[in-house]
Amino acid sequence: KAGVTQTPRYLIKTRGQQVTLSCSPISGHRSVSWYQQTPGQGLQFLFEYFSETQRNKGNFPGRFSGRQFSNSRSEMNVSTLELGDSALYLCASRGLAGGPASTDTQYFGPGTRLTVL
Amino acid sequence: AQSVTQLDSHVSVSEGTPVLLRCNYSSSYSPSLFWYVQHPNKGLQLLLKYTSAATLVKGINGFEAEFKKSETSFHLTKPSAHMSDAAEYFCVVSAHSGGYQKVTFGIGTKLQVIP
Repeated sequence: KAGVTQTPRYLIKTRGQQVTLSCSPISGHRSVSWYQQTPGQGLQFLFEYFSETQRNKGNFPGRFSGRQFSNSRSEMNVSTLELGDSALYLCASRGLAGGPASTDTQYFGPGTRLTVL
Repeated sequence: AQSVTQLDSHVSVSEGTPVLLRCNYSSSYSPSLFWYVQHPNKGLQLLLKYTSAATLVKGINGFEAEFKKSETSFHLTKPSAHMSDAAEYFCVVSAHSGGYQKVTFGIGTKLQVIP
């Protein structure tokens, strides 16, 4: 079974631009979560999507948004980029056999390294 | 409230010696606990998972962890370190909260293996 895939793997943008990152979950998984990882803040939860609906949201500004498609693929968008948005963005998928509150294991993709200049 | 404390930000061991990475947690619910490993510029790979079936959990690459409810700990161990174990390790707590899964990551422990 193929793992979680993320595209692109690396991105360089300038301040003020916007960016869209893509995540394809493991086949059959219905939940996708996004995380931001930086040296200073560690791993921080952005949001989770389940069946095309945002189910949970972390403490990030509205510039960070996402969506999920009917095939469970997810995209994350960051508008008006700031230098502090430079980070590794990780996507994780879960099977959620037990529903949105299930503690099924999360499987992570390799991440997208975003650099904002 | 839910929290994870990884007691050491850096651990250095010699190749062939035991590894101990410490993790304490706090959760208002019966949590699931995980250890993940991250090699440089890679995503997180699941090492092992505790979900109340057995307190001693065996994972991949010779790692294991013991859940101790009385100590609220979930320390990760390996009898003999290998150079390829050099990476960052994350302890994770997951529990139901308000109808959703709440996932909390520790800050990570960087393991250095000295030849």
